[in-house]
Amino acid sequence: DAKTTQPPSMDCAEGRAANLPCNHSTISGNEYVYWYRQIHSQGPQYIIHGLKNNETNEMASLIITEDRKSSTLILPHATLRDTAVYYCIVRVRGNYQLIWGAGTKLIIKP
Amino acid sequence: DGGITQSPKYLFRKEGQNVTLSCEQNLNHDAMYWYRQDPGQGLRLIYYSQIVNDFQKGDIAEGYSVSREKKESFPLTVTSAQKNPTAFYLCASSPQANTGELFFGEGSRLTVL
Repeated sequence: DAKTTQPPSMDCAEGRAANLPCNHSTISGNEYVYWYRQIHSQGPQYIIHGLKNNETNEMASLIITEDRKSSTLILPHATLRDTAVYYCIVRVRGNYQLIWGAGTKLIIKP
Repeated sequence: DGGITQSPKYLFRKEGQNVTLSCEQNLNHDAMYWYRQDPGQGLRLIYYSQIVNDFQKGDIAEGYSVSREKKESFPLTVTSAQKNPTAFYLCASSPQANTGELFFGEGSRLTVL
């Protein structure tokens, strides 16, 4: 079973920041948080990952709470092309296994 | 361009027939994976391979078989023993097996008539 909980769907206005929450209350000290997204009928795309510090790359920012029980993926200026299902995944360090939940369907509205 | 190529994109088969899905990568990655995705659900791991000539079962390997004779290729055979084969199949690769950053192909959608 997935170790993360995400809302099934969210809306966001184009040009605004999209903030996608993820709860991982049972996360262990050696587990990373990964985010992927999947545009309809395509393969998933890696976005970002982190252990305990906040991370930023060209696609998004990842904010992890101090107790590591939850995180937020931030898309700073959402565009229509960001409409996708976003998956939050917890992975044990050094382990190959990714456990995928149902994700959050993010719809960007014009 | 470097990437992962899956073929065919769409495939129809009759019950009782085996079918093989192709996955080729030119990223020089050691590890390759096959996932299955059903509508509205996340991905489930079928098989993975950490290195050439080696592969391990994932969570739902029953009714599937794979081979890894070349680093670039990791074909998946859906056998007649798979009870519910209609699904979206995704192949992925990563530089090593112990990383969570996977590169995915565009998928193959199999429909059993």
